[in-house]
This record gives sequence, C-alpha cells and structure tokens, in this order.
Amino acid sequence: SQTIHQWPATLVQPVGSPLSLECTVEGTSNPNLYWYRQAAGRGLQLLFYSVGIGQISSEVPQNLSASRPQDRQFILSSKKLLLSDSGFYLCAWSVAAGGVETQYFGPGTRLLVL
Amino acid sequence: LAKTTQPISMDSYEGQEVNITCSHNNIATNDYITWYQQFPSQGPRFIIQGYKTKVTNEVASLFIPADRKSSTLSLPRVSLSDTAVYYCLVGDFYGAGSYQLTFGKGTKLSVIP
Repeated sequence: SQTIHQWPATLVQPVGSPLSLECTVEGTSNPNLYWYRQAAGRGLQLLFYSVGIGQISSEVPQNLSASRPQDRQFILSSKKLLLSDSGFYLCAWSVAAGGVETQYFGPGTRLLVL
Repeated sequence: LAKTTQPISMDSYEGQEVNITCSHNNIATNDYITWYQQFPSQGPRFIIQGYKTKVTNEVASLFIPADRKSSTLSLPRVSLSDTAVYYCLVGDFYGAGSYQLTFGKGTKLSVIP
C-alpha cells in the first residue's frame, strides 16, 4: 500500500530564517505531487505541483519554492521566512484509477514563524 | 473550475444520519465530484467520489441528481468521531491531472452526544 510522509510535524522558525520541508511517498511510482498551505480557519491553497522529476509548477507567487530531486520526494523551501508564511503545510500525491485521479494527503507540518 | 457552495456548519446528534449538500451550478461535463474529511491538525482524508446518480462505500454515500448541479454527502449514524470539516470539490479529474483542485472553507460538522 502507498504511504506519504512529511517532516517535521511541527516547526517554529524566526522571521528571515530558511525553511526546508520534506515529503516522501512510498509504494507508488511517478506520482503527481502537490504542496498546499492552510491558514488558520481557512481552506487549502495549492502552492506547487509536480508531474515528474524536476518539473515544478507554481500556482501562487511567493517567497517559497519547491523541488523534486527524486521521483517520490518533494521539498518545499524558502530562503527567508515571512510572518505570513505561518500555516499548516500539506503534501499530497495523486494516482489515476480508471482515468480519474484522486489526491491523498500527508499528515502535514505546522509552521509558526515568529 | 466549478465553484462550490456548502453550509459553513452543521450540528447533529449521535446516531443520526447526516446529509451535507453542495451546490455546483457551473459543473462541466468532464467534472467529477469529490468529498474529503479533515480533522484538526491532520491532512484531508478522501471519502468518496462520483460522477452521477449514487455512489456508496463503507464510509458514506454520495447522491448526485440528473442535472449534477448539486450533490449530497450522506453519513449514516454519525458518531462523535465524525466531528470534522467536510470539503466538496468539483473538477476535471479525468486523466488531465487533478492539480486544479480548489478547496473552499468546507462544512464544519459537530456531532453532539
């Protein structure tokens, strides 16, 4: 069966510090991968998605970036965090079954920028 | 993408059936309807997905009328552990990549003992 891992689970960082969040998927090959952010009391906002190694598409301009160095690894980064970067970050992967795709989410990383 | 509208919150007693309706008047021919459940500080969990009529799995049922402009998620005999936020999503999930998912604020279901 497929599993998705995210770490760390919780992170407290000062403004201006760098960020690196990691997501890995097991049990599947060539998945589509996604990074979402959820601000407190709000819905999920798609940040990045990737359909293959080295292929990254950005949905929202920001000081965040994403990379996919391996097939099942997706990394979210920032060189300098802003207060507004605080939130709940979720990684997801998708698979197509019968032509229809379904996204499955990881446990998330809660980031607090102070 | 079709915009969705669902109630902000709902309350229900334990053991009752809960129906959450989602409106999606601009649904396109290729669009599917998907529901997710999210507990606090956890990632959304896939519940059910459908295109038309009725879909049932071990967790819930999804009712979609012929015009597909709305859908209803039905949770049978809810328990306290069903207290969560439920999201309705509509999109072209067929083959092209579901990266166009858009999550709204969802419906916060509170189950009362």
